[in-house]
Amino acid sequence: EIVMTQSPATLSVSPGDRATLSCRASQSVRSNLAWYQQKPGQAPRLLIYDASTRAAGFPAKFSGRGSGTEFTLTISSLQSEDFAVYYCQQYNDWPSFGQGTKLEIK
Amino acid sequence: QVQLVQSGAEVKKPGSSVKVSCKASGSTFSTYSFSWVRQAPGQGLEWMGGIIPMFGTPNYAQKFQGRVTITADESTSTAYMELSSLRSEDTAVYYCARGSCSSTTCYNPIGNWGQGSLVTVSS
Repeated sequence: EIVMTQSPATLSVSPGDRATLSCRASQSVRSNLAWYQQKPGQAPRLLIYDASTRAAGFPAKFSGRGSGTEFTLTISSLQSEDFAVYYCQQYNDWPSFGQGTKLEIK
Repeated sequence: QVQLVQSGAEVKKPGSSVKVSCKASGSTFSTYSFSWVRQAPGQGLEWMGGIIPMFGTPNYAQKFQGRVTITADESTSTAYMELSSLRSEDTAVYYCARGSCSSTTCYNPIGNWGQGSLVTVSS
């Protein structure tokens, strides 16, 4: 089983600033990595797939990078609607999720 | 866009079983995968297992092996997840999620999730 580790657990950022979230895999997942955004009371929403491809409905301020075992999600010009919990998920093997990063307003 | 509509909330006693359904609209049911993901209150997402209807054989996360059964009924375009020997720690929202197949995996995410089904385990 591939273990996904996200850091930090909580990230406090001011509106207008940029946030960088990290995700590490216990073994290579190539580029088979997705990011999800989840807001309270809602199902997760696919944000990035194949490590760097934005899903429909998300603007270019969201960007994903990485391959192998190290991945980052960068969100620029943070707005109130961007504050949420973000999960990474690998699907190179049987899928598994990271524990999530809560992006909160500073 | 295919919609996934899940069954409603359930309250179960410890030791019992629960079966959650996920009905897909649209015609292309068999060639996609259907995963089950759960989220305990205030916790993260946990992949339980999945199935590709055209192949029929389910795949389970090691943690749930022996306690979860995932099936799919092509005639009704419905996927099912049954969890047995329920305990309080199984209280969670259970989601189904559809995935696509490529040359290497059938669990490519495509952003298609059900609304979630709350299962509460309480005596």
